[in-house]
Amino acid sequence: QVQLVESGGGVVQPGRSLRLSCAASGFMFSSYGMHWVRQAPGKGLEWVAVISYDGKNKFYVDSVEGRFTISRDSSKNTLDLQMNSLRPEDSAVYYCARSTQSLTPPDYWGQGTQVTVSS
Amino acid sequence: QSALTQPASVSGSPGQSVTISCAGTNRDVGIYDYVSWYQQQSGKAPKLMIYDVSNRPSGVSSRFSGSKSGNTASLTISGLQAEDEADYYCSSYTTSSTLVFGTGTKLTVL
Repeated sequence: QVQLVESGGGVVQPGRSLRLSCAASGFMFSSYGMHWVRQAPGKGLEWVAVISYDGKNKFYVDSVEGRFTISRDSSKNTLDLQMNSLRPEDSAVYYCARSTQSLTPPDYWGQGTQVTVSS
Repeated sequence: QSALTQPASVSGSPGQSVTISCAGTNRDVGIYDYVSWYQQQSGKAPKLMIYDVSNRPSGVSSRFSGSKSGNTASLTISGLQAEDEADYYCSSYTTSSTLVFGTGTKLTVL
C-alpha cells in the first residue's frame, strides 16, 4: 500500500534553515508528481510546492518562492523540502502528498511533520 | 493565489443531506475539472473523498458526491452519520500550474 513518511521537523530560530524529507513506498515513485502542503495550528490547508514526476518542473506558493526548494531522488524514493530564511509564519505541520496525475490535487498523504519557527 | 471560498460551518441531523460549496474563479475551478475534496478528522492527515470533480476513490462511501457549475464546486453528503463530523477542504489545479485549497468547512452532525 502507498506509504509516505515525513521526517526532519523540529524547532528552529527565525532566519535559519531546515530540510524536510519524505520517504515513499508502495508505488512507482518515479511516475508521480509530489506535493508539500502545510497547516498552521488551528488553520486550514495551504499548498506549498509541487515537483513533476521527472523533477523538471517545480512550482511554489508566492510566500515561499526563493526561500524553499523542492527536490526528489527517484533512486531513493525520497522527496525533500529545503527551507531557508525561515519565518515564524512558516510554523506548521508539513505534509507530503502524492499527486493523482501530473501536478493535480493529491490522493495519498503522509502523517506530517511539525515545524516550529521561534526564537 | 487566493484561497477558494467555503462556508466556515455547516450542520445537519443524522440522516439528512448537507452541501458544501467551494467558490473559485475562471483561473481554477471554472477552467479545470481537477477539483478534489478532503475530509480531515481532528489531529489526522486529510483523506481524499472526491477527485476530478465527481469521482469517488475506492473505499469512499457512495453517500459522498461532487459536482461543479461554473466557478463553484460542491460536495454533498447524504444520509449524514456521526462519523462524518470533520473539517472538509476543496482543492483545485490552477492556470499557474499551482494548487489552491479552500478555506475549509467544519461539519457538525447535530
